[in-house]
Amino acid sequence: GAGVSQSPSNKVTEKGKDVELRCDPISGHTALYWYRQRLGQGLEFLIYFQGNSAPDKSGLPSDRFSAERTGESVSTLTIQRTQQEDSAVYLCASSSAGRGLQHFGDGTRLSIL
Amino acid sequence: AQSVTQLDSQVPVFEEAPVELRCNYSSSVSVYLFWYVQYPNQGLQLLLKYLSGSTLVKGINGFEAEFNKSQTSFHLRKPSVHISDTAEYFCAVSASGGSYIPTFGRGTSLIVHP
Repeated sequence: GAGVSQSPSNKVTEKGKDVELRCDPISGHTALYWYRQRLGQGLEFLIYFQGNSAPDKSGLPSDRFSAERTGESVSTLTIQRTQQEDSAVYLCASSSAGRGLQHFGDGTRLSIL
Repeated sequence: AQSVTQLDSQVPVFEEAPVELRCNYSSSVSVYLFWYVQYPNQGLQLLLKYLSGSTLVKGINGFEAEFNKSQTSFHLRKPSVHISDTAEYFCAVSASGGSYIPTFGRGTSLIVHP
């Protein structure tokens, strides 16, 4: 498709399990962002990839969170040893060069039991 | 670093009435400004953007916003709202030079009543 694709759309897991969330950006977009959106809240920046540069990880809330991106394609956000406070919608966005003009996926709704 | 303040968490309005959603920002450098809309269970969609040039920006769905540098504001307006405009609206700012990581406001819930 032409847009940003995220999978799964919903994920329910038990506390303590690891989860992996996937983002397929728009083809040709060099920048990719991950955000967390808690219920009724705004967007919380997590991590930013730009081309082959080192990612900006300044928004990751703890060392349980990590993300990878292969070149300018798919990105995976991994949360280890999930906690109930990790329950949120995780949004991915991609953009072409600069300016912060982003295209968003529909998100992954993560629920930790 | 930048910050964004959306002054109203919720704005109720009747259909066909005008609406203004307020956004103020702070930044030590020049900025780009954005408004996004989020419908239930969806990601964010760009409504409009200010990058440079005319301070009055027109976007999709009849929305417009005006960049006011002296008041550091970027308020969103629509002269006549429709039921389908009910959604969450986010204002965002990014530095015009730098890493382009936008900072988002907490959102304003626009509720249009018939």
